[in-house]
Amino acid sequence: QQPVQSPQAVILREGEDAVINCSSSKALYSVHWYRQKHGEAPVFLMILLKGGEQKGHEKISASFNEKKQQSSLYLTASQLSYSGTYFCGTLNTNAGKSTFGDGTTLTVKP
Amino acid sequence: DAGITQSPRHKVTETGTPVTLRCHQTENHRYMYWYRQDPGHGLRLIHYSYGVKDTDKGEVSDGYSVSRSKTEDFLLTLESATSSQTSVYFCAISTGQGAYEQYFGPGTRLTVT
Repeated sequence: QQPVQSPQAVILREGEDAVINCSSSKALYSVHWYRQKHGEAPVFLMILLKGGEQKGHEKISASFNEKKQQSSLYLTASQLSYSGTYFCGTLNTNAGKSTFGDGTTLTVKP
Repeated sequence: DAGITQSPRHKVTETGTPVTLRCHQTENHRYMYWYRQDPGHGLRLIHYSYGVKDTDKGEVSDGYSVSRSKTEDFLLTLESATSSQTSVYFCAISTGQGAYEQYFGPGTRLTVT
């Protein structure tokens, strides 16, 4: 089952904050986040594991609510380089196979 | 840089012809994946492998087959290409050690005419 991301798109000015949400209808083992710039491959940002362990990017943070089967990605004091499409990927079991959301397009303007 | 290459990077082929895409990694990671990405959509899993000769289907596997005879190579074959298989194909790897974060290759843009 594909996770649902919201919002689909967001436009910010430099220095503003954004939150991107990822929800699943199934219990989650882990959630991982990626950023993709136009014409490039997705790049790993962060992973959140069941039980609270978090790994990833020093300037972007995330939360993982296991009971609600949701994760949120927090981008604070956005920079022009944050522009791109953000994808969440979810694993329902410890089996290596993940499912991705349709993405959230973030545009940061000067 | 996770040491992942894909070949070819671009290909144009005709409907009905077989096509093979290659993914090569240099770090002996256990898990390898093939995804397709279409405009406005996320990444959809085609097939994945959890070891040499160990593969499983993803959500959009019809019309595709895979093979992994060596740890470093994962091949995706379109048995008889159709226009609906025009897409960007990404290969990814994962260490498979509990976290399963993925690192992606540069992608192959395939056009079926």
